[in-house]
Amino acid sequence: NAGVTQTPKFRVLKTGQSMTLLCAQDMNHEYMYWYRQDPGMGLRLIHYSVGEGTTAKGEVPDGYNVSRLKKQNFLLGLESAAPSQTSVYFCASSLAGVYNSPLHFGNGTRLTVT
Amino acid sequence: DQQVKQNSPSLSVQEGRISILNCDYTNSMFDYFLWYKKYPAEGPTFLISISSIKDKNEDGRFTVFLNKSAKHLSLHIVPSQPGDSAVYFCAASEGDKVIFGPGTSLSVIP
Repeated sequence: NAGVTQTPKFRVLKTGQSMTLLCAQDMNHEYMYWYRQDPGMGLRLIHYSVGEGTTAKGEVPDGYNVSRLKKQNFLLGLESAAPSQTSVYFCASSLAGVYNSPLHFGNGTRLTVT
Repeated sequence: DQQVKQNSPSLSVQEGRISILNCDYTNSMFDYFLWYKKYPAEGPTFLISISSIKDKNEDGRFTVFLNKSAKHLSLHIVPSQPGDSAVYFCAASEGDKVIFGPGTSLSVIP
């Protein structure tokens, strides 16, 4: 039982390149979230999903897209990376929302855009 | 504008004493609150939560207090241990969204 797994752990991109971050959970959780962590800003919600095939915008969705084609996976895409997207990205999942179960986080992906 | 605020970026406490971490929020629609702990190079881990219909929740050394009228909550750790040294995030939920504060770095000095 691996919990929440994020791939890759580290990545360096040039401005304008694209990439996809993968989050996989093996706990049969319905809800999944993408956050970014920046110094002094804490964790900011990018997008989230309350079930397979659904997505919704969080606090800072601009420049990102997401897809939840399978229940266990939540993909975060950057179509044209910018230096402002340099950050540590965390994925989290919850069985059925925080009222019933807390968020379980992965160990993060450190992305640098040059 | 941040909806969840943790105005103390850092806090130092002697081992064995009480640590008090504070959190303020602006959105009166938040109805569930959580505290997470984070070590370097790891993801945050859940510590304790509280519903807006309660004013206190306790779990071992950790107690969370909620003052709805002041839109304020606090986490008390008693007694503090060196292993408690980490960044603590306050979080609040409105429906399906979970919004985090900027975090407070706690150092427990042996």
